[in-house]
Amino acid sequence: QVQLQESGPGLVKPSETLSLTCAVSGYSISSGYYWGWIRQPPGKGLEWIGSIYHSGSTYYNPSLKSRVTISVDTSKNQFSLKLSSVTAADTAVYYCARAGYDSIDPWGQGTLVTVSS
Amino acid sequence: QSALTQPASVSGSPGQSITISCTGTSSDVGGYNYVSWYQQHPGKAPKLMIYEVSNRPSGVSNRFSGSKSGNTASLTISGLQAEDEADYYCSSYTSSSTWVFGGGTKLTVL
Repeated sequence: QVQLQESGPGLVKPSETLSLTCAVSGYSISSGYYWGWIRQPPGKGLEWIGSIYHSGSTYYNPSLKSRVTISVDTSKNQFSLKLSSVTAADTAVYYCARAGYDSIDPWGQGTLVTVSS
Repeated sequence: QSALTQPASVSGSPGQSITISCTGTSSDVGGYNYVSWYQQHPGKAPKLMIYEVSNRPSGVSNRFSGSKSGNTASLTISGLQAEDEADYYCSSYTSSSTWVFGGGTKLTVL
């Protein structure tokens, strides 16, 4: 059974960089699939942030591309998200997930990141 | 990339059927049979309900069904139950090798 678990600071100051890690168990990242990050501001809908293919190729939402970096560490079977120059608008629950062309599944439980001084 | 268009809310009585639409473009919904649907209860992570337009994952009730015509996909829930009350999101793979979500639809079971 594939499981994903997000980790990282729950509070980030404005203008700083948000950093999250997603640990994957039950499946080797290097075996295939895309590995992605999705966020959901409080009371709002889902937004695709970006993904990394098992080979290391990255694909980002154009609206966030200038601030996002997704990387993978196959030795630890985890992948990471960095979002720079954050503002209050980046406050959200951040989910990591495995993505295939046909679906996004499974998802991590999500982690709330608040941007505030 | 623009979000897919879903109605903000739908409602129905127990036992009835409802349909949620999801409209995109030829670069996403219309260009691929890679539409999926997710159910989200408050405070929970989204749950996959339909993949590849009309397929149900193991364990998902056959009351949930999906279809697509052109640039619009649809999710139908038949025999509404109280537990179906949740937010529903559609998603599609896109020509930019990314995924895009709909704005979400709040289903109220009256």
